[in-house]
Amino acid sequence: AQSVTQPDIHITVSEGASLELRCNYSYGATPYLFWYVQSPGQGLQLLLKYFSGDTLVQGIKGFEAEFKRSQSSFNLRKPSVHWSDAAEYFCAVGAGYGGSQGNLIFGKGTKLSVKP
Amino acid sequence: GAGVSQTPSNKVTEKGKYVELRCDPISGHTALYWYRQSLGQGPEFLIYFQGTGAADDSGLPNDRFFAVRPEGSVSTLKIQRTERGDSAVYLCASSLSRPGTTEAFFGQGTRLTVV
Repeated sequence: AQSVTQPDIHITVSEGASLELRCNYSYGATPYLFWYVQSPGQGLQLLLKYFSGDTLVQGIKGFEAEFKRSQSSFNLRKPSVHWSDAAEYFCAVGAGYGGSQGNLIFGKGTKLSVKP
Repeated sequence: GAGVSQTPSNKVTEKGKYVELRCDPISGHTALYWYRQSLGQGPEFLIYFQGTGAADDSGLPNDRFFAVRPEGSVSTLKIQRTERGDSAVYLCASSLSRPGTTEAFFGQGTRLTVV
């Protein structure tokens, strides 16, 4: 069965420091992978997605993620974190319709705190 | 509308009661999805509509849950005989067309509390 693991429940980084949030997936075929961000009181917002092609994908707000098939990973990175990045981040894999965004399987999320 | 709208934003109900949660998708979006997010968990897929029909309802946990989208726009998630375990945030999302390369936009959710 498909699954997504985000090993870090909570991460704290200093403003201006680099960030890497880990995501590992289990999926039988070529995965369709997504990162979403959820701020308090806000809906989920798509940061970036990977369907095929270049394994390094760029997203909004200066985020990027790298697909590594050999490690079944899709880690999210940002070179310099801003205080406004404090939120909860979810990794997800598309599980139906050839990678639909409808039937997504989400990880449990990583809460990011940013120290001034 | 400008975004996906969900009403009410909060709902408190007594165990055993019936509740309806409403989702108003972005105008023109044919695909609509419901997810449930329990405390400390990621969103969990419930059901996906393409137009008026439920294309995939494999995530509905039991027959107390059902959803409709009679005119291919607004959708209502209905929960009968609510249980305390149904307490969660119910998220709705919509996208322009059949899922794949089109982005799904999420509403802010309805927080359901069953007491």
